[in-house]
Amino acid sequence: EPEVTQTPSHQVTQMGQEVILRCVPISNHLYFYWYRQILGQKVEFLVSFYNNEISEKSEIFDDQFSVERPDGSNFTLKIRSTKLEDSAMYFCASSEVTGTSIHEQYFGPGTRLTVT
Amino acid sequence: AQKVTQAQTEISVVEKEDVTLDCVYETRDTTYYLFWYKQPPSGELVFLIRRNSFDEQNEISGRYSWNFQKSTSSFNFTITASQVVDSAVYFCALSEADAAGNKLTFGGGTRVLVKP
Repeated sequence: EPEVTQTPSHQVTQMGQEVILRCVPISNHLYFYWYRQILGQKVEFLVSFYNNEISEKSEIFDDQFSVERPDGSNFTLKIRSTKLEDSAMYFCASSEVTGTSIHEQYFGPGTRLTVT
Repeated sequence: AQKVTQAQTEISVVEKEDVTLDCVYETRDTTYYLFWYKQPPSGELVFLIRRNSFDEQNEISGRYSWNFQKSTSSFNFTITASQVVDSAVYFCALSEADAAGNKLTFGGGTRVLVKP
C-alpha cells in the first residue's frame, strides 16, 4: 500500500541553524501539507501546497519557513534559523485532487525536531 | 473561523467496554468535511473516516461507528467492545470546502486507555 515517507525520523539541531525536513508524498497525490505537533498538544496546520505554489499558510508559517518541491517526488520544509520553540514533531501529508471534493490526507510517520 | 472541540481529554475503560468520543465543531461554511484520525503510541496519524456535510448517514465499520448530527454540530465516534490495541489518541478534524488550501483543523484529541 502506498505511503508517505519522511526523513530523517529525528533531527537534533542547535538554535539558529537551518534544517530541511524531507517528505516523499504518495505518488498520484497532488496536494501536499506540513503540520506540526508540539509534544502532548494538538496537531497544527502549517502550509498546503498545490500546483507548485502555496495554497494556504497559517500564522505559524512565517518568513523563517519555506517549502519546495525540488523534483517530481520530494517535498521539503526548510526552517531558516531554528528557535527553541520550533521543537516539535513535523508531519508531512498528501491527498488526492478530484473536482472540488476535499479528500482525506495521508500522513507520514513524522520527523521529530529537537532544537537545543 | 473553523474550530473543533473534543471536551474529553482522557477516557479509561476496561477491555470489551464501549467508548464514545465526542466531537463538536464550528464553521460558517455550508460545505465542509469531517475526519477522525488515530494516533497510536508509535506516533503516526492514521486516517479512520471522512464525511461531508451533506451526508448525515451514520456509518459502521467493524467495531467503529460514527454519528454525525448537523443539528448539534457533532460528529461522535464509538468503539464497540474495546480492545487494548484501541489505546491511542483520537483526533477529530474539520476542513472547509470554501477555504483555499484544504487545511485540517484538529481538535485537542482524546486519549483512550483500554485496560486488559
